[in-house]
Amino acid sequence: RKEVEQDPGPFNVPEGATVAFNCTYSNSASQSFFWYRQDCRKEPKLLMSVYSSGNEDGRFTAQLNRASQYISLLIRDSKLSDSATYLCVVNEAAGNKLTFGGGTRVLVKP
Amino acid sequence: EAQVTQNPRYLITVTGKKLTVTCSQNMNHEYMSWYRQDPGLGLRQIYYSMNVEVTDKGDVPEGYKVSRKEKRNFPLILESPSPNQTSLYFCASRGFRRGNTGELFFGEGSRLTVL
Repeated sequence: RKEVEQDPGPFNVPEGATVAFNCTYSNSASQSFFWYRQDCRKEPKLLMSVYSSGNEDGRFTAQLNRASQYISLLIRDSKLSDSATYLCVVNEAAGNKLTFGGGTRVLVKP
Repeated sequence: EAQVTQNPRYLITVTGKKLTVTCSQNMNHEYMSWYRQDPGLGLRQIYYSMNVEVTDKGDVPEGYKVSRKEKRNFPLILESPSPNQTSLYFCASRGFRRGNTGELFFGEGSRLTVL
């Protein structure tokens, strides 16, 4: 079993719709969690950190469920520019190791 | 401007010809890391460094070497490249001191083809 797993998609989303997807992690001792965005052939960039109580940044909402060991990302009112691959990143407790999920591809269409 | 700079951005080489991909960061970050990204396999860590003269293997270190003689630089060395090292490579850095968010900053990537 992979340490961090994501549905690769693609999620085909009509413009203006809401899309949500999850990321599961296997290490219960994992301490911090992030969502990164990667555009085709470009470097990943931090979208948002994920806090225990959940957090929102504009149209993006991130949630953490420690009991079931997953994090989620919800995008409201999808824009064409939201088309990208979203990478889940988990920071394990020891050694500051960051583990990346394989990414979820989102395609927003007019 | 805070940045991580990799060179070269694109390289085509032949099997066995030693090459070095340079990486430099201007944020005084302690941590630096190299990743490779392949279709279907995601980002995999090759080597990382917690500080000067401290390096450790990641998940896929075979065929690679690194060094961290200075805080800002973390070159990736392929002593004898093989076709299975054809990939997109990313260097990244992050800071751990007070005030740092822990965000990982990536270079723009180096696309390497080994024939």
